[in-house]
Amino acid sequence: DAGITQSPRHKVTETGTPVTLRCHQTENHRYMYWYRQDPGHGLRLIHYSYGVKDTDKGEVSDGYSVSRSKTEDFLLTLESATSSQTSVYFCAINGREGNPYEQYFGPGTRLTVT
Amino acid sequence: QKEVEQNSGPLSVPEGAIASLNCTYSDRGSQSFFWYRQYSGKSPELIMSIYSNGDKEDGRFTAQLNKASQYVSLLIRDSQPSDSATYLCAVFRGGSQGNLIFGKGTKLSVKP
Repeated sequence: DAGITQSPRHKVTETGTPVTLRCHQTENHRYMYWYRQDPGHGLRLIHYSYGVKDTDKGEVSDGYSVSRSKTEDFLLTLESATSSQTSVYFCAINGREGNPYEQYFGPGTRLTVT
Repeated sequence: QKEVEQNSGPLSVPEGAIASLNCTYSDRGSQSFFWYRQYSGKSPELIMSIYSNGDKEDGRFTAQLNKASQYVSLLIRDSQPSDSATYLCAVFRGGSQGNLIFGKGTKLSVKP
């Protein structure tokens, strides 16, 4: 257990509604990431953060926004959910002393957009 | 060419055998390499990291890295049914982002 929690763990929502997923860490890591995992595509980076209020886009950022107002929380928002955003979303952290490039994943959020 | 490529499998081995999982990467500047294990419905779990050419052993797992050939592998000795999972290869290319590039994974099935 890497001290990462995600909420909610499961969510079903309708097309066009906004959705916010939360990632919470207890280890004070600087870097946090949001990935999505889809069959045939593997894990793909959506957004990442390198500090409070410091975020940047990843490979598949369209339709997503993020915020990080506290070190421990990294929020992912789907501004207007679409069926193509049905996926499993994983949050990850890295930066453990001595192994800064290793990443540790949260339990995931399974999102279904109907 | 995909950045990180893995054979999707499934790779099936009998219990007690050696399972060999392979991964190639395209960016010669890649610096760090990782193997994750992912059980169905669960999150990826880091099992091995390797940073320099050669072999690195941890229990029944051995990671092998050959930067000249842009190749990294994972050997699982004395495979057990509990090793049945999808194994993800991940590569850190360097730079400020710090994110990993993942292969699509190889599904391993260990038959009793």
